[in-house]
Amino acid sequence: AQKITQTQPGMFVQEKEAVTLDCTYDTSDQSYGLFWYKQPSSGEMIFLIYQGSYDEQNATEGRYSLNFQKARKSANLVISASQLGDSAMYFCAMRVMNRDDKIIFGKGTRLHILP
Amino acid sequence: DAGVIQSPRHEVTEMGQEVTLRCKPISGHDYLFWYRQTMMRGLELLIYFNNNVPIDDSGMPEDRFSAKMPNASFSTLKIQPSEPRDSAVYFCASSIGRQFGELFFGEGSRLTVL
Repeated sequence: AQKITQTQPGMFVQEKEAVTLDCTYDTSDQSYGLFWYKQPSSGEMIFLIYQGSYDEQNATEGRYSLNFQKARKSANLVISASQLGDSAMYFCAMRVMNRDDKIIFGKGTRLHILP
Repeated sequence: DAGVIQSPRHEVTEMGQEVTLRCKPISGHDYLFWYRQTMMRGLELLIYFNNNVPIDDSGMPEDRFSAKMPNASFSTLKIQPSEPRDSAVYFCASSIGRQFGELFFGEGSRLTVL
């Protein structure tokens, strides 16, 4: 069975510092995708970044990058130069490309950026 | 382009009443997902459809919950009878194809059962 684990329920980080949010996953399939979503206090779910299991390069989107370590089954999100607007809940998710095509989410990490 | 549209945005009802949540996916998307979000359990996948066909409903908590997708542009999630423990935010999300699979979420329906 597939599983996503986010071990940090909450984090406090000083503004302008870099942040790493941890995510580990478990699947026996070879073909899968990993995602990060941001949920601000307003409640909407905002897609941030995607990494495919066969992608050789780590994904980057602006200040967001995904540190993909396939052997360790980790897909950590790195936010560079954090801003007050980055304060939100962050979810790691996985989609396995087989018959069971569901997308499952971790429990999330609440990030607080301090001025 | 319109995103995923959910209604109602907020619903307050009394225990025992029937609740129907509605979702219009993005045109052309062939996957539709229903999630429930609570503080205690996070984001739980309830059911998902591919080309209007339910693929996996193993996340539906019990027989009080049912979901339908009569056509490519409409889905409902029904709770009958509702209970206070059903109080949560219910998200609908859609995606296109399988290869990339980014989910586009609606704004959610916040349900409160008194």
